[in-house]
Amino acid sequence: DAGVTQSPTHLIKTRGQHVTLRCSPISGHKSVSWYQQVLGQGPQFIFQYYEKEERGRGNFPDRFSARQFPNYSSELNVNALLLGDSALYLCASSRFSGTRTDTQYFGPGTRLTVL
Amino acid sequence: ILNVEQSPQSLHVQEGDSTNFTCSFPSSNFYALHWYRWETAKSPEALFVMTLNGDEKKKGRISATLNTKEGYSYLYIKGSQPEDSATYLCAFPDPNTGNQFYFGTGTSLTVIP
Repeated sequence: DAGVTQSPTHLIKTRGQHVTLRCSPISGHKSVSWYQQVLGQGPQFIFQYYEKEERGRGNFPDRFSARQFPNYSSELNVNALLLGDSALYLCASSRFSGTRTDTQYFGPGTRLTVL
Repeated sequence: ILNVEQSPQSLHVQEGDSTNFTCSFPSSNFYALHWYRWETAKSPEALFVMTLNGDEKKKGRISATLNTKEGYSYLYIKGSQPEDSATYLCAFPDPNTGNQFYFGTGTSLTVIP
């Protein structure tokens, strides 16, 4: 079975631009979560979507938005990019939302560099 | 924001050594703790989901224990091999919503051949 896929793998943008990152979950998984990981820190939660509805939002500014499509794939959008947005963005899929024992399966991430 | 801490931050061991590291989490309102292994240039890989106090789980040479009363979990690797070199992360689901996972900063393990 295919795992979680993310595109693109790497991305270079300049300050002020916007970016769209994409994620396809494991087949049968209805929940997608987004995390930001900067060097030296653990992944920080950005959003969770389940059945196309936002189920959780971390402490990130409104420049960050996301959505989930009928096929459960998801996009993360970041507007007005800042240098501090440079990070690895991870997508994770799980079967359900809100079940604390449900394993989240991660994709390989998108490395975003903002110049 | 919940505080999840891991120690040590990094570890270098010789091949064949056994090692262990710690994840500390809030002891109140506990539901589960997740362990992940993250090799360079790969996706984080789920290792264990720990749920019960006193739980011990094993996967090959890797095992984990859980103490929910004092808020910690240990990950043990017996007879470390170079392929065990990775960052080991623990994640604590938000006890109120379950939607948000709080990750520690990880323990970076390097096994020297």
